[in-house]
Amino acid sequence: DVKVTQSSRYLVKRTGEKVFLECVQDMDHENMFWYRQDPGLGLRLIYFSYDVKMKEKGDIPEGYSVSREKKERFSLILESASTNQTSMYLCASSLRESEAFFGQGTRLTVV
Amino acid sequence: GQQLNQSPQSMFIQEGEDVSMNCTSSSIFNTWLWYKQEPGEGPVLLIALYKAGELTSNGRLTAQFGITRKDSFLNISASIPSDVGIYFCAGQDLKGNEKLTFGTGTRLTIIP
Repeated sequence: DVKVTQSSRYLVKRTGEKVFLECVQDMDHENMFWYRQDPGLGLRLIYFSYDVKMKEKGDIPEGYSVSREKKERFSLILESASTNQTSMYLCASSLRESEAFFGQGTRLTVV
Repeated sequence: GQQLNQSPQSMFIQEGEDVSMNCTSSSIFNTWLWYKQEPGEGPVLLIALYKAGELTSNGRLTAQFGITRKDSFLNISASIPSDVGIYFCAGQDLKGNEKLTFGTGTRLTIIP
């Protein structure tokens, strides 16, 4: 079975903190994605990566950056957390030209 | 960014009833996916459709990839309490940048 693991289920951070959300997949997938999910807005793509050290902006990249130093790990970074970044964050991975599998999600609260 | 039109937004049905939901897009996709999400969890893939006109079943679930490649539907037969959750459609352009575009979700509630 594909396993996509997000490092935390719940996080509470203060405004202005630098926040790292980690995602690891164990199936040697090339593609990895970060989404945020908000009520009434569905899932929106923040960043994605096709390969190590490669990244592309999604629909809502402002306030975020990403890092992919190893194939299995894709990190989402909030440079200076703000309250409007309180959300559910979902990581996903896929093989080339194949369906995506999701992690369990990280619910981030910025206070 | 684009979102798919998914309907209905919510459904309240009795246990044992059949359920039908659909998704439409202004763009063509070459893959349609259906996911289910339970509270506090990530979406879980239910069915993947790769070919226009394809009809695929997974237990009580049946999904079809529309001929125009701009729509898909999901049916659940004889619903049971564990079917409760939010169902999302997603279109994926596997020959392009492979990112998923999601529908807004259908929240299914089952009345015992």
